[in-house]
Amino acid sequence: AQSVTQLDSQVPVFEEAPVELRCNYSSSVSVYLFWYVQYPNQGLQLLLKYLSGSTLVKGINGFEAEFNKSQTSFHLRKPSVHISDTAEYFCAVFTGGGNKLTFGTGTQLKVEL
Amino acid sequence: NAGVTQTPKFQVLKTGQSMTLQCAQDMNHNSMYWYRQDPGMGLRLIYYSASEGTTDKGEVPNGYNVSRLNKREFSLRLESAAPSQTSVYFCASSPGLAGVNHEQFFGPGTRLTVL
Repeated sequence: AQSVTQLDSQVPVFEEAPVELRCNYSSSVSVYLFWYVQYPNQGLQLLLKYLSGSTLVKGINGFEAEFNKSQTSFHLRKPSVHISDTAEYFCAVFTGGGNKLTFGTGTQLKVEL
Repeated sequence: NAGVTQTPKFQVLKTGQSMTLQCAQDMNHNSMYWYRQDPGMGLRLIYYSASEGTTDKGEVPNGYNVSRLNKREFSLRLESAAPSQTSVYFCASSPGLAGVNHEQFFGPGTRLTVL
């Protein structure tokens, strides 16, 4: 069975500082990996995805993530955050055998002035 | 293009009452899903429909039923609501289940409170 671990439930960071949100997954087969963002009182929006090819994936709003197969990780990074990045971020993994997307428990990013 | 729409946005029920959450998508997607979101637990899949005419249980199906009315609409029914069903419910759709078609698009959610 696949699972997703987001170790940090909350990450406070000052505006213009860099940030990394961690995601580790467990799966013995090929995976597709996603990061979703949820702004307050809204649904989830796709931030970026890894399906195949280059392990460095760029998404919207200046975010990027790197797929590391040996460490089974897919950490999300942004070199300089903005107040508007305050939101909850979910990592998710899909494997064809399960026919479903498995979500992590989420990381609340709070950007402060 | 409205994407995925959900009604109602908010609902308060008493224990034992029933209700149906409605979901519709206008992207001609084959697959649709219902999730619940609870603090500290992420999103958990309740039911999904791979294609029109099929439905399957997800991770937490107990206490719920679904209907894939047509390709556009996928409803979630609570027959006898319980306080444990207090949650935020999200509907999602995707072109299909496989590989690159599996990107899911989410609705704005329904906030349900069961007293």
